[in-house]
Amino acid sequence: QKEVEQNSGPLSVPEGAIASLNCTYSDRGSQSFFWYRQYSGKSPELIMFIYSNGDKEDGRFTAQLNKASQYVSLLIRDSQPSDSATYLCAVGTGRRALTFGSGTRLQVQP
Amino acid sequence: DTGVSQNPRHKITKRGQNVTFRCDPISEHNRLYWYRQTLGQGPEFLTYFQNEAQLEKSRLLSDRFSAERPKGSFSTLEIQRTEQGDSAMYLCASSPSGGVKETQYFGPGTRLLVL
Repeated sequence: QKEVEQNSGPLSVPEGAIASLNCTYSDRGSQSFFWYRQYSGKSPELIMFIYSNGDKEDGRFTAQLNKASQYVSLLIRDSQPSDSATYLCAVGTGRRALTFGSGTRLQVQP
Repeated sequence: DTGVSQNPRHKITKRGQNVTFRCDPISEHNRLYWYRQTLGQGPEFLTYFQNEAQLEKSRLLSDRFSAERPKGSFSTLEIQRTEQGDSAMYLCASSPSGGVKETQYFGPGTRLLVL
């Protein structure tokens, strides 16, 4: 079992819709959770981080964390074609290294 | 630009050659990380520095790989006797001190192709 699991996609949504990206993790001691966006051929760019159970909103993005279910998600409202990218979920366990999932490819159709 | 910088951005080498990559972190960040990413996968941790001390190394970091951060500022990652399996994007990230919840910011990466 991978430590951080994501559906590879592609997840295809029409422009203006809500995109929902999901991630599960195996280490119950995980303390910090990050979403990175990665365009093809580029490096990961931080979108959001969340540490506590519940929702955290930043503009069109909402991160949701449920530690009991070991589940973290990212919602993108009013999806735009420019949101088309791979979204990486990363988990921190208290060691310094982050553990990344393989990413979900999002395609926003104009 | 005060972000993380990496050089070179691209490197093509022949199998068996040595290569060295450089990373300059965000100036006020004392933590520096190296990751490797292959196509279709997320970044995989290689090693981590706090100031000049190398505090953690992944089992992925074979003895052909060595990393340094001599003055606690920039870092270098050297790969000796490169193999085709070393072809990947090598990513550097930095973070400020501040506990386990610090956020890592990535540089643009160095894409290595071993022929």
